[in-house]
Amino acid sequence: RKEVEQDPGPFNVPEGATVAFNCTYSNSASQSFFWYRQDCRKEPKLLMSVYSSGNEDGRFTAQLNRASQYISLLIRDSKLSDSATYLCVVNMDSNYQLIWGAGTKLIIKP
Amino acid sequence: GAVVSQHPSWVICKSGTSVKIECRSLDFQATTMFWYRQFPKQSLMLMATSNEGSKATYEQGVEKDKFLINHASLTLSTLTVTSAHPEDSSFYICSALNYEQYFGPGTRLTVT
Repeated sequence: RKEVEQDPGPFNVPEGATVAFNCTYSNSASQSFFWYRQDCRKEPKLLMSVYSSGNEDGRFTAQLNRASQYISLLIRDSKLSDSATYLCVVNMDSNYQLIWGAGTKLIIKP
Repeated sequence: GAVVSQHPSWVICKSGTSVKIECRSLDFQATTMFWYRQFPKQSLMLMATSNEGSKATYEQGVEKDKFLINHASLTLSTLTVTSAHPEDSSFYICSALNYEQYFGPGTRLTVT
């Protein structure tokens, strides 16, 4: 079983729609959680951290469910520029090593 | 702030040759840098943790004699792929730690 699992997609979504991704992680001792965005042939960029209480940044909402060991990302009013691969990332301990999911590809269509 | 550069951005080399990739933190000092490899449609895989002034820590399955890492200063880490083979063709990404990881733009290596 992979340490961090994501549906690879692609998710084909019309512009303006709401889309949600889930990610599951296997290690219950995981401490920190993140969503990164990666455009084709580019480096990943931090989208947002995920906190236990859930957090929102504009059109993006992230939630963490420790009991079920999953993380979600919700994108509202999707834009064409949201097309990218979204990577779920987990940090196990304090040495800042990150465990990466393979990513979910999102395609926003006009 | 917190900009990380990589050089070269892409490189094509012949099988059997060695390739050096540089990772620089431009506006901060980083005692710890990370080297990742990403194959198409796969997740980033941590190859090694590079610590300034000491030996790198390699992940299981990564050959330290093939992937040489030198972190000689607080702003520069280098990864040398020795005796490269076509299966080493990949996207190599570094990150520098400054409370969080800041990523370089990546180096696309193609070995022919």
